Amino acid sequence: QVQLQESGPGLVKPSETLSLTCTVSGDFISYYYWSWIRQPAGKGLEWIGRIYTSGSTNYNPSLESRVTMSVDTSKNQFSLKLNSVTAADTAVYYCARTAGYSGSLNYFDYWGQGTLVTVSS
Amino acid sequence: EIVLTQSPGTLSLSPGERATLSCRASQRVGNSYLAWIQQNPGQAPRLLIYGASSRATGIPDRFSGSGSGTDFTLTISRLEPEDFAVYYCQQYAGSPWTFGQGTKVEIK
Repeated sequence: QVQLQESGPGLVKPSETLSLTCTVSGDFISYYYWSWIRQPAGKGLEWIGRIYTSGSTNYNPSLESRVTMSVDTSKNQFSLKLNSVTAADTAVYYCARTAGYSGSLNYFDYWGQGTLVTVSS
Repeated sequence: EIVLTQSPGTLSLSPGERATLSCRASQRVGNSYLAWIQQNPGQAPRLLIYGASSRATGIPDRFSGSGSGTDFTLTISRLEPEDFAVYYCQQYAGSPWTFGQGTKVEIK
């Protein structure tokens, strides 16, 4: 069974950089796209972006200027950095796996439990 | 960007009743690349349906999806206590992938 676990600071100061890591267990990280998705309290889900194990990325245009994703296949982990954060970036952040490489498999079949990140001084 | 609008916002039903949830897209969702996701408080979201009508692994057959183009439906034939949750539709036909705002199914 594939499991994903987010980790990182729960509190980030405004204008600083939010950094999260997702550790994958139960399968190799290779040959899949891996995404970050967030959910502000009481609101819906927003896709942030995704990374393939080759390092190729796609980002949501709404966040593209502030987002960087990376992958470490040796540790079965991938990471998110979001810079210049404001209170509007306060949310539960989820990592998720895309079922496969082809377009027909671009749905999220496994999700992490999520981690709350609060932006506050 | 494809905008997904879900209705109703909240559905109040009793266990054993049938639930019908709607998802309408602002433009055609190519190849019916639409998924339904269940979210319970404090739990990881769970994939229910992909490709508009295919059940994910381990999902009971009381969950069914239908639709194409811009109109999609999730049906829960007989609500079980664990089905009271929030449901999101999500399109993966074009980037950025987008989600509906959710339908909450609550106990009446």
